[in-house]
Amino acid sequence: QKEVEQDPGPLSVPEGAIVSLNCTYSNSAFQYFMWYRQYSRKGPELLMYTYSSGNKEDGRFTAQVDKSSKYISLFIRDSQPSDSATYLCATQNQAGTALIFGKGTTLSVSS
Amino acid sequence: DGGITQSPKYLFRKEGQNVTLSCEQNLNHDAMYWYRQDPGQGLRLIYYSQIVNDFQKGDIAEGYSVSREKKESFPLTVTSAQKNPTAFYLCASSDSQYSNQPQHFGDGTRLSIL
Repeated sequence: QKEVEQDPGPLSVPEGAIVSLNCTYSNSAFQYFMWYRQYSRKGPELLMYTYSSGNKEDGRFTAQVDKSSKYISLFIRDSQPSDSATYLCATQNQAGTALIFGKGTTLSVSS
Repeated sequence: DGGITQSPKYLFRKEGQNVTLSCEQNLNHDAMYWYRQDPGQGLRLIYYSQIVNDFQKGDIAEGYSVSREKKESFPLTVTSAQKNPTAFYLCASSDSQYSNQPQHFGDGTRLSIL
């Protein structure tokens, strides 16, 4: 089993929809979780950074961590065409030396 | 503006040639990283450095080399021993490797074989 699993999609939604992006992870010791957004031919941009369980909200974005089920989610409200990108979930390894990434989910929001 | 600058954006390598990818940051970050991104494979760690003059191998270090002579610079050399170098290479930095600070990325270098 891979340490971080993410459905690659693609996911297509109409403008204004609520988008749910999800990842699962295998090691219950992981504590720090991140969501990055990556536009084509660009580097990943940090969107959300959370510690342990719970929710964190930033504008239209909400990150959720459920440690009991080892499940992390990113919700995008009122999605816009500019949200069309690849979304990468990541967690920090136990040694704190590196990030472990999911493979990314490609999202397309149509106007 | 503070950030991470990678150059060049596109690079072509001939068979048997070594090439060097540049990464410079002005964020005053201690830790720097190199990742490789392939379609459908996500990001994989090549090398990382937590302090000047020190660096460690990541998961896929074979065929690559790095140096860290200055805090702001972490160049990556793709050697002729790397038989499948075509990929998107990403450099990242963080404030301190062990303080659980998030990593920030440059805009990458796309390397192709001629």
